[in-house]
Formats: sequence, C-alpha cells, structure tokens
Amino acid sequence: SAVISQKPSRDICQRGTSLTIQCQVDSQVTMMFWYRQQPGQSLTLIATANQGSEATYESGFVIDKFPISRPNLTFSTLTVSNMSPEDSSIYLCSVGEGPGTEAFFGQGTRLTVV
Amino acid sequence: KQEVTQIPAALSVPEGENLVLNCSFTDSAIYNLQWFRQDPGKGLTSLLLIQSSQREQTSGRLNASLDKSSGRSTLYIAASQPGDSATYLCAVRTGGYNKLIFGAGTRLAVHP
Repeated sequence: SAVISQKPSRDICQRGTSLTIQCQVDSQVTMMFWYRQQPGQSLTLIATANQGSEATYESGFVIDKFPISRPNLTFSTLTVSNMSPEDSSIYLCSVGEGPGTEAFFGQGTRLTVV
Repeated sequence: KQEVTQIPAALSVPEGENLVLNCSFTDSAIYNLQWFRQDPGKGLTSLLLIQSSQREQTSGRLNASLDKSSGRSTLYIAASQPGDSATYLCAVRTGGYNKLIFGAGTRLAVHP
C-alpha cells in the first residue's frame, strides 16, 4: 500500500487568489491523479500527472485553471488559480499503478473560497 | 460512457444489523471495482478491491461481491457498529490511464 500526505489539510481563501496543494507519496509511482469533490457530490477526476510529461486533463478542466507539476516520482502539486466560491471543494490526490491495482488516496484538502 | 449508481443514497439503522449496499455500473468492461469509506470532510480509505475475474472479497465484517456480466456489486456489512457510520463509495477502474469512475455514495448512519 502507499501512504499519501497532502498539504494543507484545509484552507479558507479569498476569491481571486490561488492555492497550491502538495501531494507526497512514500514510494515512487508513475502516475498520480487529482480529483475534486464538490459539496455533496462524488469524486470527479481533474487530471492525470505523469513524471516528465504534461498532465492530461479531463473534459471540463483546463491547465490555466488547474496547473499541475510533477517534478519527480514521489511528489506533485495542484494549483487552483483565480479562485471563486464555486471552487470550494475537497481536492484529493491518488495513486494506483496499472489497471489491476488498488487505488490509494490522500486525506484531502478542504478548500473554502470566500 | 461508464456510469456508476449506488443505492440507497442514505441508510439509517440500529446497531447490530446486517447491511447490504448496492453498486451498479453500465459498462462491464472494467479492470476492477473498489469500495471505499469516507468520513465527513476527509479522504478515502480503501476497503476492498475486487478484480474483474473475481467474484468476491472479504475483510473482517465486510464482504464484497461482483457480478461483472450484470454490472453489479454489493457490499455486505455484518453486525454494524456506530463506528461504521460514514459514506461508502464504489468505483470502477476502466479505460485508459486507469481512470476511476465513482458512484455518488451511500451515506450510512448506525445508531446505538
């Protein structure tokens, strides 16, 4: 299993600002995933981050709004840019290698935009 | 397009009851199905992983079954406890990049 640490665990931000969320894994992984969970909703994949290449974004999510970095095999960041109250959500990072493997999640970052 | 549905949306039971949570998916071409637990405002804890070739998995008081051909999975919780109160999510792994598609969850409350 993988242990995933996310920072910060929660934050309250002013609209128009940006927040960078960090995700650290205790082992090397090829792919890292970023999800959003809006209030009362289930999880939606934002993007997949591979080390050494550009992140792949899902429909409805763009790099200008959610830039992602993946500098090495154990670390990734997600930035939520130019925030509005609609960005208030829990953001989670996840790892899982290969089609048959188990997915593991960090404890999430609870973001409130005021 | 894969869609995952969980029934019921919410469940409130007295302690000690045996429970069945349901998950259905529209496309049987999955790699595996995973059940998670989420406490309020927190991340996800993996409970059980069932590969597409398997029929069931057990961990303690939890048992999950998979009928891939009919697109269904059930999570059975034996002798429920107040500590089991949480939202239970099922997700199927499908398509490229190991994408997980989640259901909306079942919110469980077990009262003493």
